[in-house]
Amino acid sequence: GAVVSQHPSRVICKSGTSVKIECRSLDFQATTMFWYRQFPKQSLMLMATSNEGSKATYEQGVEKDKFLINHASLTLSTLTVTSAHPEDSSFYICSARDHTVIDNEQFFGPGTRLTVL
Amino acid sequence: AQSVAQPEDQVNVAEGNPLTVKCTYSVSGNPYLFWYVQYPNRGLQFLLKYITGDNLVKGSYGFEAEFNKSQTSFHLKKPSALVSDSALYFCAGKPSGTYKYIFGTGTRLKVLA
Repeated sequence: GAVVSQHPSRVICKSGTSVKIECRSLDFQATTMFWYRQFPKQSLMLMATSNEGSKATYEQGVEKDKFLINHASLTLSTLTVTSAHPEDSSFYICSARDHTVIDNEQFFGPGTRLTVL
Repeated sequence: AQSVAQPEDQVNVAEGNPLTVKCTYSVSGNPYLFWYVQYPNRGLQFLLKYITGDNLVKGSYGFEAEFNKSQTSFHLKKPSALVSDSALYFCAGKPSGTYKYIFGTGTRLKVLA
């Protein structure tokens, strides 16, 4: 149980285009999902907390107009990188929390590698 | 500021020997502490967590961790390392009253055959 999927696993796009990454909780409902960014050989940086049915909460320094987050259902959150530039190239990981289980840990997706040319 | 520290960028250990990956924390309240493992180009896999109770926590794949409040540490251990344990290990803490994790910088474990 507690599987989180991400799609696509990797994407290459041209500078200036927008890219959408999906994060799904497959066998549980998640009122809260998290989006992280990981640079090579570095730790995970929390970008935003995605709340079902409401606006995402962004961490300091993360541009909300550039990284659009939508959490329309209890099993799906999407991250759209708008007008992508090469500096947006990174490994993006989502996680989800099963809100029905107290003290539960976050379950992580397999990640999406974004390369912007 | 709250933080989780992993003082070693890399740990090398011979196969069959015991391994320790260090983690110390500065997290408010009664923190929840976690260990995750990451293989190349993959997401994080949960290994174990400490919430309350016994200081020694047993997790997946033979790993365990000891919560030490006085030393604010949560070191990951395994009695006998396998080559397949070679990966990137992250320690994370969750302060009371929030769902956010604070991650350490990661420790790369290399188990040598």
